[in-house]
Amino acid sequence: DTEVTQTPKHLVMGMTNKKSLKCEQHMGHRAMYWYKQKAKKPPELMFVYSYEKLSINESVPSRFSPECPNSSLLNLHLHALQPEDSALYLCASSVDRGRNQPQHFGDGTRLSIL
Amino acid sequence: AQSVAQPEDQVNVAEGNPLTVKCTYSVSGNPYLFWYVQYPNRGLQFLLKYITGDNLVKGSYGFEAEFNKSQTSFHLKKPSALVSDSALYFCAVRDSLLLIFGTGTRLQVFP
Repeated sequence: DTEVTQTPKHLVMGMTNKKSLKCEQHMGHRAMYWYKQKAKKPPELMFVYSYEKLSINESVPSRFSPECPNSSLLNLHLHALQPEDSALYLCASSVDRGRNQPQHFGDGTRLSIL
Repeated sequence: AQSVAQPEDQVNVAEGNPLTVKCTYSVSGNPYLFWYVQYPNRGLQFLLKYITGDNLVKGSYGFEAEFNKSQTSFHLKKPSALVSDSALYFCAVRDSLLLIFGTGTRLQVFP
């Protein structure tokens, strides 16, 4: 079992829907990340939060909107997604943004856009 | 810019034999190197890291990695492969803010 919990595990939505992905960790980590992963490819970084503040946005389209309500929670709000947005969305956390800190990943939400 | 390369898309090995998954890196300054494993329908699991110190790093599930500065390599090794080791393996280097992944190597261990 991973210590980063992501819900839901699977999500199917239409292009006009609004949905949210949720990520939770109770390890006291102060850096949290969203990644997008296509099949058999490495994860691509989307957003980084450090001490609940957005510190990196890797030129992600505005149809993806992150939110960090507190140090344990990270949300990704989805609206008007495109079929090419179908992927595995991974959340990760680390103690802080220090270079020697490994990131710990959840099992992801597999998103399918109809 | 920091980068890592995994030259093999797939590595096949018989159960009980030693395995090596290759990774080379290109960094300016001291490298911060990581190995992750991804099992089907799972997230990435941290295996081990090299920051400084001993060139042989021991990690989870019996894996170890050898840091070689002269060859700019950080190969993942295990003395005796298990069928359950079959998975996708990613080498990564930490940039100042980002974790830069290699393209991944699929390890298949045959009974």
